[in-house]
Amino acid sequence: LAKTTQPISMDSYEGQEVNITCSHNNIATNDYITWYQQFPSQGPRFIIQGYKTKVTNEVASLFIPADRKSSTLSLPRVSLSDTAVYYCLVGDDTGGFKTIFGAGTRLFVKA
Amino acid sequence: GAVVSQHPSWVICKSGTSVKIECRSLDFQATTMFWYRQFPKQSLMLMATSNEGSKATYEQGVEKDKFLINHASLTLSTLTVTSAHPEDSSFYICSARRGQGGFTEAFFGQGTRLTVV
Repeated sequence: LAKTTQPISMDSYEGQEVNITCSHNNIATNDYITWYQQFPSQGPRFIIQGYKTKVTNEVASLFIPADRKSSTLSLPRVSLSDTAVYYCLVGDDTGGFKTIFGAGTRLFVKA
Repeated sequence: GAVVSQHPSWVICKSGTSVKIECRSLDFQATTMFWYRQFPKQSLMLMATSNEGSKATYEQGVEKDKFLINHASLTLSTLTVTSAHPEDSSFYICSARRGQGGFTEAFFGQGTRLTVV
C-alpha cells in the first residue's frame, strides 16, 4: 500500500478555497486516490475518488497530475462546517482493499 | 445511499467484562468488513478484516483472543472486546465496501465510543 504524506493541519477562513495536497510517491498502477472527511466522534465520510487528471463532484474537486505522485483536494468556498480531518488514501480499489489511514490533515475554518 | 450502521453508539462497561459491538450494512451485502480503533487526536488504526464465513484477519499487534470478530452473515459483523480494561477505551469504527472490482466505495459506521471504568 502506498504511503501518503499530508500537512498535519491547515487554517482557513469562511468563503475561501482550500487546497490540501497529498504526496504518494510510490503509488502503483492499479491504485486509486480517495479522500475522506471525518468529524469528531463520527466515522469517516467519502468525499471524492480519482485515478488521474481531474474529478469534480458536488462537494469537491480532485486534481491529479500526470505522474500521479501527488493529488490535491480542493474545497471551494469553505464554511465553518468544513472544519474536520481530511484523509488521503491510496490503494488498489478491489473489494478486499484494506483502507489504511494516514495521519490526515486537520482543517480549521475560522469565521 | 449505502449505509453502515453500528450499535451501540456508546457504551460504558466495568473492567473485566466483555462488550459486543455490531456493524451492519443496511442496503448492501458485504463479504468483507473492517474494524478500526481510533484514539483521541489520532488517525484510524486498522485492527482486523472481517470475512463472511471464515476467520478474521488481524493486523500485526492486535490480539485476536481479546478482540473477537464474527461475520456470520453478509450484512453483520460483530466485534467483542473481551475482558475489557481501561486501556481498551477508544472509538471503534467499522466499514464495508460496496462493489466488486472497478470502483468500490468504503462506507463507515458512525462509530462506537467504548469507555471502560
